[in-house]
Amino acid sequence: QSALTQPASVSGSPGQSITISCTGTSSDVGGYNHVSWYQQHPGKAPKLIISEVSNRPSGVSNRFSGSKSGNTASLTISGLQAEDEADYYCNSYTSRNTRVFGGGTRLTVL
Amino acid sequence: EVHLVESGGGFLQPGRSLRLSCAASGFTFHNYAMHWVRQAPGKGLEWVSSINKNSDNLEYADSVKGRFTISRDSAKNSLHLQMNSLRLEDSAFYYCVKDSSDYALDYWGQGTLVTVSS
Repeated sequence: QSALTQPASVSGSPGQSITISCTGTSSDVGGYNHVSWYQQHPGKAPKLIISEVSNRPSGVSNRFSGSKSGNTASLTISGLQAEDEADYYCNSYTSRNTRVFGGGTRLTVL
Repeated sequence: EVHLVESGGGFLQPGRSLRLSCAASGFTFHNYAMHWVRQAPGKGLEWVSSINKNSDNLEYADSVKGRFTISRDSAKNSLHLQMNSLRLEDSAFYYCVKDSSDYALDYWGQGTLVTVSS
């Protein structure tokens, strides 16, 4: 099972918006709405920020939003804040009843 | 509050075996599937294995299939990962993770470190 494709890094200034893409295949991202996103700060465990493509768990800022088109899912963070600087990972359910992560994207807030 | 506490990590040589455990609390353990996810130091996340609530559906990443076995004890609210024939590339932090029932991984432990080295 190949990892989903994410950009290695993105950056933005405070207040701006950024989007992180996550590209898979019709056997994972494109075949199901079971895409989730995770935020990981250095030395910490990952935290769920988006489930089922676009659902925000309770307590997650509405500055985080998700979408999907075809085999590509996207995470958008609006109104960038210094605390958003972290690594972000997408994850998808697959046709083999397994899960697959993206390679991760490092977000730098300039 | 959900708590997941991993244990059993350590330093060992290639080819050896190790059993990881995860103590779960703060939720009805037998109602949820559970997962193991690993992360080599400085690297990305890798899904390792999952077990459904009835233990009759076990799934594994190709990289560990045939070497690792996932299990759970609902009477003790615990999750386990038996790791055999360990390789250098199995070195990582291993996270115990709760399934959210909508295909997400909603609660994570703090991880236990496994180091395989000769």
